[in-house]
Amino acid sequence: ETGVTQTPRHLVMGMTNKKSLKCEQHLGHNAMYWYKQSAKKPLELMFVYSLEERVENNSVPSRFSPECPNSSHLFLHLHTLQPEDSALYLCASSQDPGLAANEQFFGPGTRLTVL
Amino acid sequence: GENVEQHPSTLSVQEGDSAVIKCTYSDSASNYFPWYKQELGKRPQLIIDIRSNVGEKKDQRIAVTLNKTAKHFSLHITETQPEDSAVYFCAASPNSGNTPLVFGKGTRLSVIA
Repeated sequence: ETGVTQTPRHLVMGMTNKKSLKCEQHLGHNAMYWYKQSAKKPLELMFVYSLEERVENNSVPSRFSPECPNSSHLFLHLHTLQPEDSALYLCASSQDPGLAANEQFFGPGTRLTVL
Repeated sequence: GENVEQHPSTLSVQEGDSAVIKCTYSDSASNYFPWYKQELGKRPQLIIDIRSNVGEKKDQRIAVTLNKTAKHFSLHITETQPEDSAVYFCAASPNSGNTPLVFGKGTRLSVIA
């Protein structure tokens, strides 16, 4: 499959569960991103990885834990989430490891519901 | 850091009319300005971008204008069609350096047939 893929596409979890979101890019890009999309904050940047190193963490609560084992894969580990964490989680990638201005390619997102 | 403001938050136009969405930015070092379109239930996708060495760029029915002095840029869609209905996001970024894109809050465009 080409582009940026995300699994699962939908996830329902309780507040005590632990789950992980997965993102994979098939574009040979060097930077990857996690965004949270909700009605209140349409595109909220969470984490940025460049060449597998985290370069930005936008004051995200520790119940969200990212992992980037290689430049093609990005995970978001979730534990003890709150109902307000329910949102669409979008992964994106871009070519330049220095994050210089270039197109971000988004995945289809994971629709997360926390009960 | 960069701050991007986008207006209006919602916009309704009749099919065939033009639509204009405006954004302002705060960081004078920003010189890359993309626009993304997100249709309902789909991912955001780049539709057009502009760099600071030009003042206007066109691609068929869409155009973007940039005023670096005033620090604002706009998306213009002419002869709107129902398939233009979507949420549009502007963004800004310095052209170099370790700074990711900063997005506006989006504009929900509805084209009424």
